[in-house]
Amino acid sequence: EAQVTQNPRYLITVTGKKLTVTCSQNMNHEYMSWYRQDPGLGLRQIYYSMNVEVTDKGDVPEGYKVSRKEKRNFPLILESPSPNQTSLYFCASSPGWTSLEQYFGPGTRLTVT
Amino acid sequence: AQTVTQSQPEMSVQEAETVTLSCTYDTSESDYYLFWYKQPPSRQMILVIRQEAYKQQNATENRFSVNFQKAAKSFSLKISDSQLGDAAMYFCAYNEAGANSKLTFGKGITLSVRP
Repeated sequence: EAQVTQNPRYLITVTGKKLTVTCSQNMNHEYMSWYRQDPGLGLRQIYYSMNVEVTDKGDVPEGYKVSRKEKRNFPLILESPSPNQTSLYFCASSPGWTSLEQYFGPGTRLTVT
Repeated sequence: AQTVTQSQPEMSVQEAETVTLSCTYDTSESDYYLFWYKQPPSRQMILVIRQEAYKQQNATENRFSVNFQKAAKSFSLKISDSQLGDAAMYFCAYNEAGANSKLTFGKGITLSVRP
């Protein structure tokens, strides 16, 4: 089944403790991105990657890092999480960087205390 | 920068009735795409319908249709014969054609369906 998977689905952590949210797609997509969803703000893009080893900032990149060492994986790294990063995170992928088909992962609910 | 505005935070509709969700956007581009996404309580993002700006004909997908007014930069979603399963948050989104696949989202609207 074609899908985007994220792990973990739920995470509660403390301020400053490094964490990684994994994202993997099995569709051989070139383009992957991360969004965060906050009440009253909709979804906002954090980072995106047009292909392996090519990443760039989205609208709200502060406090996040990403890497794209393999085509299928695009982990989101929070090196020193803060409470304002408490949010719902979505990974998405699409066949190409101009493609209109976006496939979203199931979401990761992160709480930073 | 492009912006997408959904000014109604909540709406309610009686089952089997019709409801229209509003969305406006701002862009200086002439070629772009507009979307409506549904997010049920499961939080999964589900594409409902897509409209290409260069097409004058409004998109339709079964009970879902849009009213695309390019000059007014308006993109509303009409849900006919509303069903209980339509209850969800709905997001309007914009994508600039030929650019980064980034979607710019509105704040969303919560739709409830009364039985």
